[in-house]
Amino acid sequence: ETGVTQSPTHLIKTRGQQVTLRCSSQSGHNTVSWYQQALGQGPQFIFQYYREEENGRGNFPPRFSGLQFPNYSSELNVNALELDDSALYLCASSLWHANTGELFFGEGSRLTVL
Amino acid sequence: GESVGLHLPTLSVQEGDNSIINCAYSNSASDYFIWYKQESGKGPQFIIDIRSNMDKRQGQRVTVLLNKTVKHLSLQIAATQPGDSAVYFCAELDDKIIFGKGTRLHILP
Repeated sequence: ETGVTQSPTHLIKTRGQQVTLRCSSQSGHNTVSWYQQALGQGPQFIFQYYREEENGRGNFPPRFSGLQFPNYSSELNVNALELDDSALYLCASSLWHANTGELFFGEGSRLTVL
Repeated sequence: GESVGLHLPTLSVQEGDNSIINCAYSNSASDYFIWYKQESGKGPQFIIDIRSNMDKRQGQRVTVLLNKTVKHLSLQIAATQPGDSAVYFCAELDDKIIFGKGTRLHILP
């Protein structure tokens, strides 16, 4: 177990709705990254948060937004949901300046958009 | 576009045999690579990494080989076990971790 917890584990939404996904990082980690993993694909980087600010963003539209809190936990918000947003959303925690590619992933939140 | 990619979407290996999973990358400036394992219903798990100043690195039952000349890396798993059944991703660090598409490893009894 990585110590990274995500909620909810599964959820179903309809097009146009909004969703908030939550992540608690591993103890001692100050950086959170979010990834989207479509079925049969590798995880795609959405963005990363460090010191409560976005630090790096992948090719995702502005309706994908996030927050990081003082305790390093994080939220991913997606507005105006589209069918293609159906995916597994993965949160990963790490230590800034660790100079390593070792991310600690949670088990993900599986979002289905109908 | 993707800068790392795996050669085969699936690989079937007899239990006890060695597994070799291959990956190619396109950016010759890439200098740090990572292998992740993702079991069904779980998030990816770090296996091993390698920097470009090395051509081989060994872990417990796993070895990663890096060939910078042909921009290729591989993950070798010795004496494959049923617990090795998973999807394996190669990834590179380019300000962020970029994942390839993955190879599903099936273990045959």
